Amino acid sequence: GQSLEQPSEVTAVEGAIVQINCTYQTSGFYGLSWYQQHDGGAPTFLSYNALDGLEETGRFSSFLSRSDSYGYLLLQELQMKDSASYFCAVIDGKSTFGDGTTLTVKP
Amino acid sequence: NAGVMQNPRHLVRRRGQEARLRCSPMKGHSHVYWYRQLPEEGLKFMVYLQKENIIDESGMPKERFSAEFPKEGPSILRIQQVVRGDSAAYFCASSGQGVFGTEAFFGQGTRLTVV
Repeated sequence: GQSLEQPSEVTAVEGAIVQINCTYQTSGFYGLSWYQQHDGGAPTFLSYNALDGLEETGRFSSFLSRSDSYGYLLLQELQMKDSASYFCAVIDGKSTFGDGTTLTVKP
Repeated sequence: NAGVMQNPRHLVRRRGQEARLRCSPMKGHSHVYWYRQLPEEGLKFMVYLQKENIIDESGMPKERFSAEFPKEGPSILRIQQVVRGDSAAYFCASSGQGVFGTEAFFGQGTRLTVV
């Protein structure tokens, strides 16, 4: 089966940088995705890593190390609107999600 | 190009009634995934369907829950004889390919409340 671990809560201030880590155990693996969810709304796709290394998309970057079964989401220049839940997900044909990290951005 | 459409957005059912949740995938998408989310928790996979076929139902409870994705019309998640523990948000996602990857988009969800 699959299991993912990520911190339950992270707090940071506006303008700061925050890193949300994700470790996983899986029997099948295509890649690691990250999703953002505001207040129980529709999860929205942020990034996908199929290969080792860093993927950068604007203020957000995502990293994957397949040998370490580890990835992270890096958010730079934090804004208040970044306050949300962030989920890592192992892609294995369907998608298995972690329990999410609640990010609170303070002024 | 409309996104993934789920209806109803909110559904209230009494214990013992049936709940039917609908999901219309994005145009051109033939793969649908259903997830359940309890408050303060992640999305738990329930079932993966392709047109007229159930591909993976490993996350579906063995009783009372069923899903279909007919050749025409939306995908339906059906919960019979609902109980309070079924209260949750149910999300569907669709993709154009069989790997969830970067092409899966979520609907706004149906919030089921069992009273």
